[in-house]
Amino acid sequence: KAGVTQTPRYLIKTRGQQVTLSCSPISGHRSVSWYQQTPGQGLQFLFEYFSETQRNKGNFPGRFSGRQFSNSRSEMNVSTLELGDSALYLCASSLDPYLVTYEQYFGPGTRLTVT
Amino acid sequence: KNEVEQSPQNLTAQEGEFITINCSYSVGISALHWLQQHPGGGIVSLFMLSSGKKKHGRLIATINIQEKHSSLHITASHPRDSAVYICAAPSNTGNQFYFGTGTSLTVIP
Repeated sequence: KAGVTQTPRYLIKTRGQQVTLSCSPISGHRSVSWYQQTPGQGLQFLFEYFSETQRNKGNFPGRFSGRQFSNSRSEMNVSTLELGDSALYLCASSLDPYLVTYEQYFGPGTRLTVT
Repeated sequence: KNEVEQSPQNLTAQEGEFITINCSYSVGISALHWLQQHPGGGIVSLFMLSSGKKKHGRLIATINIQEKHSSLHITASHPRDSAVYICAAPSNTGNQFYFGTGTSLTVIP
């Protein structure tokens, strides 16, 4: 089975621009979660999509948004980029991460640098 | 105060030593995950447990629900175990995912 893939792997953007990151889950997984990892804050939960619906959301401003398509692929968008948005963005897929029996499988991440 | 606390933050061990990483949480959770992150960023899920103990090779994870505490043990540590270990937990209300700050482990040959 192919693992979770994320594109692009690296990205450099300028303050004020917007960016879209993509995540393709493991086949059959209906849940995709997004996380931001920075040296200062560590890993933080952004949001989780399940069957095309945003089921849960972390404490991030509205500039961070996402969506999930019918094939479970997900995108996240960050508008009006700020320097502090520079981070590793990770997605993870699962059958259902909120049920005890199902693990999350992480993608390699997209490293975003905002200049 | 973080919902999930890990200790120690950094750990250096000699090859072959027994290692313990601790995780305490203050919120209701549905399960606890132990994750491993190697340099370069890739994260691998090591364990997910809601009670008792799980073992995989040289790795053992335990959880005490009453004390809200979990431990990750590595027996006969090896330099390839050098990584950041992170405990994480989804809330039992299902609306948040909490992460510990991570333990950076270096195993010296």
